[in-house]
Amino acid sequence: GAGVSQTPSNKVTEKGKYVELRCDPISGHTALYWYRQSLGQGPEFLIYFQGTGAADDSGLPNDRFFAVRPEGSVSTLKIQRTERGDSAVYLCASSPSPGQGNTEAFFGQGTRLTVV
Amino acid sequence: QKEVEQDPGPLSVPEGAIVSLNCTYSNSAFQYFMWYRQYSRKGPELLMYTYSSGNKEDGRFTAQVDKSSKYISLFIRDSQPSDSATYLCAMTVRYSSASKIIFGSGTRLSIRP
Repeated sequence: GAGVSQTPSNKVTEKGKYVELRCDPISGHTALYWYRQSLGQGPEFLIYFQGTGAADDSGLPNDRFFAVRPEGSVSTLKIQRTERGDSAVYLCASSPSPGQGNTEAFFGQGTRLTVV
Repeated sequence: QKEVEQDPGPLSVPEGAIVSLNCTYSNSAFQYFMWYRQYSRKGPELLMYTYSSGNKEDGRFTAQVDKSSKYISLFIRDSQPSDSATYLCAMTVRYSSASKIIFGSGTRLSIRP
């Protein structure tokens, strides 16, 4: 597709379970970002990838959160032992290669995660 | 203290009014400033970006940056009901390469017909 695709769009899970959220970036975009957005708040930075490597993971809240991008395209955000406080919309964004003049990030629709 | 502060609103104005949305920031390393618009249950979409102090105009939208005061604004002229959304300011330290983008909390705007 033409835009950033995130699956699933909604995920309900029980406290303590493991979840994976998937992001398909725009083809050719080398930078990929994960954000978390709670109700009434702006997106909170989690991690960003440049190619396959995590260039900045300073926003991951604790070691229950992990993200991978093994081939430099699709990324998966993994949350272990989910807690009710993890409930939020998880947004993925991608942007073009460095040096292309701007850092516009194109966002997907998000995955709404509810931990019950 | 958050790196980026934004009044959450809500802000309600009549159709045709001029809207002013503002953010302040504390990190003087920020060089690249953006405004995103977010409709309910959608991802944010970029409206405007700028990397210098001064004004940048695009149709009914004007972005203003004052680096000396660490203050940015977005003005919307001739506001329309379709402009009703949450507006997010965002900024980053580099524009020549990708880097993490820090968002404000967003201002919810409603334009009354």
